[in-house]
Amino acid sequence: DAGITQSPRHKVTETGTPVTLRCHQTENHRYMYWYRQDPGHGLRLIHYSYGVKDTDKGEVSDGYSVSRSKTEDFLLTLESATSSQTSVYFCAISESKRTGSQETQYFGPGTRLLVL
Amino acid sequence: EDKVVQSPLSLVVHEGDTVTLNCSYEVTNFRSLLWYKQEKKAPTFLFMLTSSGIEKKSGRLSSILDKKELFSILNITATQTGDSAIYLCAVRNQGAQKLVFGQGTRLTINP
Repeated sequence: DAGITQSPRHKVTETGTPVTLRCHQTENHRYMYWYRQDPGHGLRLIHYSYGVKDTDKGEVSDGYSVSRSKTEDFLLTLESATSSQTSVYFCAISESKRTGSQETQYFGPGTRLLVL
Repeated sequence: EDKVVQSPLSLVVHEGDTVTLNCSYEVTNFRSLLWYKQEKKAPTFLFMLTSSGIEKKSGRLSSILDKKELFSILNITATQTGDSAIYLCAVRNQGAQKLVFGQGTRLTINP
């Protein structure tokens, strides 16, 4: 258990409304990631963070922003949600204690978002 | 652009069968390949492979990497209904902290 929680776990919202998803970790890991998972696409990286206030874009970052003001929290914001952002969102961390590297990622339980 | 392709996309077998899942990749400066199992919730880590020809094994699951031909296989012997899941393959290149995932293989084991 990598100590990752996500909130909310389920959310229904309307097109055009802002949405913020939270990822919280308890083990002081440096790297945190946000993915979305859609049928036929596997997991696609949205944004990731390599430290407090240090973030970078992934392959599907349009329409999303992130913030990391504390080591333990990584927030994903949809400024104006669209139906194409209906998806399952997973947060992940790179776990360095067990493997000695940042290569293995461990995932949170996911947030299921429906944009109507 | 880094790319990972898994095959087959879907597979249905009977309990007790042996299955082989495939993962091919194109990545600049390859560093590692990872396999995950995803049941109804989050993906869970299975294996990380970095060297060619060295088999990683855990119970009935095993995996091997071929860096020359740019692919990996995941074998599951004596399958059980609990092996039903989506199996995800991902690769990482040198110097990057990101993983690139394939589409996944949905494996269904029928009793």
